[in-house]
Amino acid sequence: QKEVEQDPGPLSVPEGAIVSLNCTYSNSAFQYFMWYRQYSRKGPELLMYTYSSGNKEDGRFTAQVDKSSKYISLFIRDSQPSDSATYLCAMLYGNKLVFGAGTILRVKS
Amino acid sequence: EAGVTQFPSHSVIEKGQTVTLRCDPISGHDNLYWYRRVMGKEIKFLLHFVKESKQDESGMPNNRFLAERTGGTYSTLKVQPAELEDSGVYFCASRDGRTAKNIQYFGAGTRLSVL
Repeated sequence: QKEVEQDPGPLSVPEGAIVSLNCTYSNSAFQYFMWYRQYSRKGPELLMYTYSSGNKEDGRFTAQVDKSSKYISLFIRDSQPSDSATYLCAMLYGNKLVFGAGTILRVKS
Repeated sequence: EAGVTQFPSHSVIEKGQTVTLRCDPISGHDNLYWYRRVMGKEIKFLLHFVKESKQDESGMPNNRFLAERTGGTYSTLKVQPAELEDSGVYFCASRDGRTAKNIQYFGAGTRLSVL
C-alpha cells in the first residue's frame, strides 16, 4: 500500500467550475501537508502549506486537512484555463517530502 | 532572485554510460534535496544535504548513484553506469534552514533517458 494515495485523473472541468482534489494517507507521523502545482516541463511550485486540521484559504484556493480521517483536499474556486496543470499533494516526513502521484487537471474554456 | 536551476534540462545516454546532473540551489539555501520521478510513479526522495554534509541518503537506489555537494553550494548527481530503469525526471530542491517552515523550492528538473 502506498503511503499517499491520489487519483491521477485526468480531471476535466469547464471554466468557472469548483474543483476538488483529494489525497489520503496512512502514516500518522505526517504533520505538515502541502499542495504543489506543476506545469508541463516545469518543477513543482508550492501552492499551499498547512499544519493543523481545518481549512486554510488563499485567494481562489482552499486547503482542508482532516487528520482524524487522514484525508486532505484542495478546492479551486472559479477555475481558469490557466489552472490546467498537475496537482501534487505532499507530506513532510522528517525533512523529506512524500508525494502523491499527482492529479492532472484540465480546465476547458 | 534566481530560483533553483538544473542542467542539463534533458540528457539522452546509452546504457552503461555515465551522466552527471547539476543543481544550483537558491543563493543562501543550506539545505538541498534530490528527488526522482520515474515513468508512471510518484516523485520520490533520494537524498538531503545540509551544506556539504549528507543528512539522509536513504532514498538512493544503489551504489551506481553518487551525490556530492563540495563547498556547500551546487550539487552534482552522478549515475555510473546508467541502466534503463534510471530513466526519469530528476528534481533538485532547496530550502533556507534559517526559517521555521520546511518549504522546499524545486527546479525544473533534468529529464534523463537511458537507451
